[in-house]
Amino acid sequence: NAGVMQNPRHLVRRRGQEARLRCSPMKGHSHVYWYRQLPEEGLKFMVYLQKENIIDESGMPKERFSAEFPKEGPSILRIQQVVRGDSAAYFCASSPTTGISNEKLFFGSGTQLSVL
Amino acid sequence: AQTVTQSQPEMSVQEAETVTLSCTYDTSENNYYLFWYKQPPSRQMILVIRQEAYKQQNATENRFSVNFQKAAKSFSLKISDSQLGDTAMYFCAFMKHERSSGSARQLTFGSGTQLTVLP
Repeated sequence: NAGVMQNPRHLVRRRGQEARLRCSPMKGHSHVYWYRQLPEEGLKFMVYLQKENIIDESGMPKERFSAEFPKEGPSILRIQQVVRGDSAAYFCASSPTTGISNEKLFFGSGTQLSVL
Repeated sequence: AQTVTQSQPEMSVQEAETVTLSCTYDTSENNYYLFWYKQPPSRQMILVIRQEAYKQQNATENRFSVNFQKAAKSFSLKISDSQLGDTAMYFCAFMKHERSSGSARQLTFGSGTQLTVLP
C-alpha cells in the first residue's frame, strides 16, 4: 500500500509564474490536508478537502492560492503569480474516511517550492 | 486557538543515552490529542507517538515514551537508548477531538527541536 505521494519533490518557479503541486492520498483515504512549512518553523494548516469539496480553507491565503480534490485524480494546490515569500515546503496529508475522530494523518514527503 | 511551544531549538545526546524533549501547549479544550512527529533530513513527517488527553496512562512505543501532565499542559518525549537514526527534527503537535467525521482534523505544530545523536 503506497503512502501519500507528492510530486514534484522540488519545484523552481520565477516570480509571477504559477505553481501546481500534486498529492495522491493513501489508497482508501478520501480526506486530504495541505500544510505549509516555512524555514525553521513547524507546519501550518492551509486547507482540508474531501472528494470534490473544500471543507475548511481557513489557513489558506485569500488571494493567489486555491486547492481542489476532484472525483478522479490527485489533489492539486495551485499558487498563481508566485512571490518569493511563497518559497516553502508544502506537505499533503491524508486520513481514512471511516471512524469518527480518526485522528491519524499520514504525510507525504512534501514539495519544496523555490521562487527565484 | 491553540498554541504549542517547544523551547529547545537544538539538543544533542550520545548514542545509547536517554534524552527528553520538552513541549508545552495552551488550550481551553478538554478533549484532544497530542503527537510527536519526527522529520529526518528526507523531510518525511513520521508519527512517533500519540496521546489521548482523556487517558491518564502515558503512551509508550518501544524506545519512545511520553510524560503527559494535563494540568500543567506539558507533553515531553523521552527517547531511550538513542540511536544514530533518531537524528531528526522533532515536532510536538496538538489536535482537537472532533465529534464529527466531517470536521477538519487540524494539527497545530510547535517550532521543532533538532535532535542530534552523537556516535
